[in-house]
Amino acid sequence: GQQLNQSPQSMFIQEGEDVSMNCTSSSIFNTWLWYKQDPGEGPVLLIALYKAGELTSNGRLTAQFGITRKDSFLNISASIPSDVGIYFCAGQYWNTGNQFYFGTGTSLTVIP
Amino acid sequence: GAGVSQSPSNKVTEKGKDVELRCDPISGHTALYWYRQRLGQGLEFLIYFQGNSAPDKSGLPSDRFSAERTGESVSTLTIQRTQQEDSAVYLCASSLKGAPWEKLFFGSGTQLSVL
Repeated sequence: GQQLNQSPQSMFIQEGEDVSMNCTSSSIFNTWLWYKQDPGEGPVLLIALYKAGELTSNGRLTAQFGITRKDSFLNISASIPSDVGIYFCAGQYWNTGNQFYFGTGTSLTVIP
Repeated sequence: GAGVSQSPSNKVTEKGKDVELRCDPISGHTALYWYRQRLGQGLEFLIYFQGNSAPDKSGLPSDRFSAERTGESVSTLTIQRTQQEDSAVYLCASSLKGAPWEKLFFGSGTQLSVL
């Protein structure tokens, strides 16, 4: 199945630093979702984007739906230890079966 | 329940045995998805149910994999004659279908280990 290219694969940052990760696809999407997964748990939805160019915030998190509809970005400001986890993007195009395609994940480590 | 519930949380089985994994979606959610997540990997789409429509089985890796859903409630993923490469976390997600505002909500998954 199709997978999205997500980068970076892993990040090691100091507490308080800002984080940026992105997701790209060869196909256009109508929906982009960003998830965080903790060990032993299912992914938890962080932000949902439904319109090209849309910029949405959720606390310290900000995500954008790329204008080309083939990419999306997630930024985390002033990172804290509990931000540790794996972040996944997911894209959906309504006319190709409705399933969501997931990125390969970005593993974030925050050093106190 | 308030969230997506999956059982069992862990399953250890011997190669060649059949296993059944269960998913209880959020009440009222019409769509249900199964994904497989191998260690350190992303989520791989398996199958999708929406209401009474025929399921989208395009992601099932082999004919050993099958899934059923009773109406808009419980779903069961069955893996026959398990192989070691089937070891993974199997995640279920549900959503209230109504494009374009769909959001997936996941359960905690079933960790399957095939010895």
